[in-house]
Amino acid sequence: QQQVKQSPQSLIVQKGGISIINCAYENTAFDYFPWYQQFPGKGPALLIAIRPDVSEKKEGRFTISFNKSAKQFSLHIMDSQPGDSATYFCASFLTGANNLFFGTGTRLTVIP
Amino acid sequence: KAGVTQTPRYLIKTRGQQVTLSCSPISGHRSVSWYQQTPGQGLQFLFEYFSETQRNKGNFPGRFSGRQFSNSRSEMNVSTLELGDSALYLCASSSASRQGAYNEQFFGPGTRLTVL
Repeated sequence: QQQVKQSPQSLIVQKGGISIINCAYENTAFDYFPWYQQFPGKGPALLIAIRPDVSEKKEGRFTISFNKSAKQFSLHIMDSQPGDSATYFCASFLTGANNLFFGTGTRLTVIP
Repeated sequence: KAGVTQTPRYLIKTRGQQVTLSCSPISGHRSVSWYQQTPGQGLQFLFEYFSETQRNKGNFPGRFSGRQFSNSRSEMNVSTLELGDSALYLCASSSASRQGAYNEQFFGPGTRLTVL
C-alpha cells in the first residue's frame, strides 16, 4: 500500500516558470515531511522539509505548502531553471518507526 | 567530511546467486538505512541499523538481510536473487543524535544491481 501518493509522474516547464509537485499522505501520525532532489547517478539529497504545525515554508526559490486537514503537501519551484531538472521525491517520516515513506517521484525537465 | 560511500557501484548477477553490498556512513553517524529504488515502486525502505542492531525493518522477504559493524559500516545481503531484485540499492546514514525526532538522512550514490 502506497502511503504517500505523488503527482505528476513527469513535468516539463519552461525556464522561468513555476513547477508544482503534489503529494498526499494517509497516515496522520506522520510528523515530518521532507522533499528530496535526485540527479542521475546520485543519491537523493534533502531539499527542504516542513513540520505539520506549519502551513508554509520557503527557502530561496523552493516553497512547501502544507494542508494538514486535507493531508496534502506540495512543492513549488519558482523561476525554474534548467539546473533544477531532476527527479523530486516527497516523503513522510514516522518518528515511532524511524522510517521515511517516499512518493514515487516526479521527473522535472526545465526547458531553456 | 566525506559523504556516504557505497561499493560496488554496479553489479551484474544471475538468478539464484547471492550478493553483498557495502555501505560506509559519514564519519560519526551511527544509523544506517537501506532502500530499494525501482522505476515502478520508487524508494522503499528495507531496514535500519543502529549501533549494530537492526532497529527497523520494511516489508521485504527474508532473502534480504543486513548487518552493521562496530565502525558503523553496513552490509546488505540478498540471497537467491530474482529478476525482480534488479534495482538501485541506496544506503543512507544519519547521526540519530536527536531521539524521537527526524534526523536528516544522507544518501550514498547507490549500487546498481542487475539480475539476469
